[in-house]
Amino acid sequence: AQSVTQPDIHITVSEGASLELRCNYSYGATPYLFWYVQSPGQGLQLLLKYFSGDTLVQGIKGFEAEFKRSQSSFNLRKPSVHWSDAAEYFCAARSFTDKLIFGTGTRLQVFP
Amino acid sequence: GAVVSQHPSRVICKSGTSVKIECRSLDFQATTMFWYRQFPKQSLMLMATSNEGSKATYEQGVEKDKFLINHASLTLSTLTVTSAHPEDSSFYICSAPDITEEQYFGPGTRLTVT
Repeated sequence: AQSVTQPDIHITVSEGASLELRCNYSYGATPYLFWYVQSPGQGLQLLLKYFSGDTLVQGIKGFEAEFKRSQSSFNLRKPSVHWSDAAEYFCAARSFTDKLIFGTGTRLQVFP
Repeated sequence: GAVVSQHPSRVICKSGTSVKIECRSLDFQATTMFWYRQFPKQSLMLMATSNEGSKATYEQGVEKDKFLINHASLTLSTLTVTSAHPEDSSFYICSAPDITEEQYFGPGTRLTVT
């Protein structure tokens, strides 16, 4: 069955530190891949997406993600975290004609 | 970017009553909208796909008679939770794709059934 896994439920980092959020997918073929951020009171916001091509994808708010086919991974990274990055992050995937499947999310906490 | 709104943002209702949640695409038209349910500390689970002018498509395990979906226009879809029970308490989120098929999500509706 198709699935998206985010192994880390909760991550805490200090402001200014680097960040990597992990995401693995299980699909028959490479799906479209997405990272969303959810802040309280706001809808999910798309950070970046991967359809094909360059495996390093740049997104908004200084985030990037790298697609690694050999590892079935699409990890999200940011070189220097800001306090405003504290939120819930969801990795999601879908095949061309199918629905979005979300991972369970990673809650990011940022300490000053 | 495109905006999707939901109303109300929070609702408390008594067990046995029905509650309607609205999802609107504010600056674009959407022939399809999606309804998700999110449990605390869990992921979003797709409940149904709302189709303008036709019946909604429900995911396996979702009671179509309990969760009534009406896609009244190209900018409005409604989810009605009928005969609500405490186990229906949850966070309901809608989304709508724009012409490029990028999904835009509403801010969600917190339903509490007492």
